[in-house]
Amino acid sequence: DGGITQSPKYLFRKEGQNVTLSCEQNLNHDAMYWYRQDPGQGLRLIYYSQIVNDFQKGDIAEGYSVSREKKESFPLTVTSAQKNPTAFYLCASTTRDRVFGYTFGSGTRLTVV
Amino acid sequence: RKEVEQDPGPFNVPEGATVAFNCTYSNSASQSFFWYRQDCRKEPKLLMSVYSSGNEDGRFTAQLNRASQYISLLIRDSKLSDSATYLCVVMPPSNTGKLIFGQGTTLQVKP
Repeated sequence: DGGITQSPKYLFRKEGQNVTLSCEQNLNHDAMYWYRQDPGQGLRLIYYSQIVNDFQKGDIAEGYSVSREKKESFPLTVTSAQKNPTAFYLCASTTRDRVFGYTFGSGTRLTVV
Repeated sequence: RKEVEQDPGPFNVPEGATVAFNCTYSNSASQSFFWYRQDCRKEPKLLMSVYSSGNEDGRFTAQLNRASQYISLLIRDSKLSDSATYLCVVMPPSNTGKLIFGQGTTLQVKP
């Protein structure tokens, strides 16, 4: 079955560390997105990519970096520059026409210890 | 003003009740509209798209009012399993495919 896989499900980071969250899709979707969700808040866009080897900053890109070397993969690195990284991170993808909205991965819950 | 605004609730209703949520959006040129459902500590899942003519899927009805810039979701004959957070989602006018999410409305259906 097609879908989006995020890993790990839970991640613990020490202060000052960089960590990378994985997102892989086999839906043949062109566009991929990273969102962050904090308790009681809506999703906020971190980065997005519409085609391979191209990506754009979203509303809260500071302290994050991404790459899009393959159509299927869009990893997110949370750097030490991100001062408040504890959150629920969601990866999504969609078709070129975007008629059907997003398909989401099951998310990664990141906690700073 | 937020781009997409929802009443966070919670809405507490008995089983079998009819409940309606509204959502307003700020950009009049927005193109596409959706309702997503999110269960606690899970990812959002598409509930339904919202079309200009209104659309229905079983117990769920979505309406779009472009003149007043709001969308609505009506749930009839509420079930315990409908308890969740409902996210109003809008696609603004651009070619990026970015979606703007409301903060969600929490529904609790009680026995």
